[in-house]
Amino acid sequence: KAGVTQTPRYLIKTRGQQVTLSCSPISGHRSVSWYQQTPGQGLQFLFEYFSETQRNKGNFPGRFSGRQFSNSRSEMNVSTLELGDSALYLCASRQGETQYFGPGTRLLVL
Amino acid sequence: EDKVVQSPLSLVVHEGDTVTLNCSYEVTNFRSLLWYKQEKKAPTFLFMLTSSGIEKKSGRLSSILDKKELFSILNITATQTGDSAVYLCAVVSGNTGKLIFGQGTTLQVKP
Repeated sequence: KAGVTQTPRYLIKTRGQQVTLSCSPISGHRSVSWYQQTPGQGLQFLFEYFSETQRNKGNFPGRFSGRQFSNSRSEMNVSTLELGDSALYLCASRQGETQYFGPGTRLLVL
Repeated sequence: EDKVVQSPLSLVVHEGDTVTLNCSYEVTNFRSLLWYKQEKKAPTFLFMLTSSGIEKKSGRLSSILDKKELFSILNITATQTGDSAVYLCAVVSGNTGKLIFGQGTTLQVKP
C-alpha cells in the first residue's frame, strides 16, 4: 500500500496570506489527523477528521481549519498567516490506534 | 492538563552501547502509548503498547509499558550510527485520534 502523501512538500508565504495543505491517507484509512511541529513546541495536535466530520480539535486559533472529503483526503487551511505559523505540518492516517505519518509540508512564513 | 514527559532530552553514546529512553505520562482516559523515530523527515512508527508488562520487540529495539506507574521505556541495544534520531513518545487519549507527544529524546550515536 502507498503511504500517506502530502502536498506541497515546501511552501513559502508572506504574512497575511492564506495557505491550503493537502493530505491523502493510506488506502482504507478513514481517519486523518493534523499536527504542527516546531522546534519550540514540538508536535502539537491540530484536529482529526473521520468520515468527513471533525472529531477533535486542539488548542489552535480559528485561523486553522480543515475538512475531509468523501474519499478521505483532507485539506488544512491557515488564513491570515503569521510568522509563528512557520512549521512542519504533518498529517497522519490512522488504523486502530496506530497513526502513520506523511512526509509533511514545511511552511515558511516571511 | 494531559502531559507526556520524556527523558533525557538528549543523549550521546558510542556505537555498541545500550540506551534506555524514558517516557512518563499523565493523561485522562489513556488508551495506548506509541513510540516513533524521527530523522530528518516524518516520524516513523516503532511500537504501540496498550497492556502493562508485555514487552514489544523488534530487532535491537524493545519497549515496555507500566500502566500502574504511568511510564514506558524504549531500549536500544548494540546501538549503530543509523539509530541517531529523535525518539518520540506519544499517548492516545480518549476515543479520537488525538496523540499527545512528549518533547522527544535526541539520540546521537558516534562511531
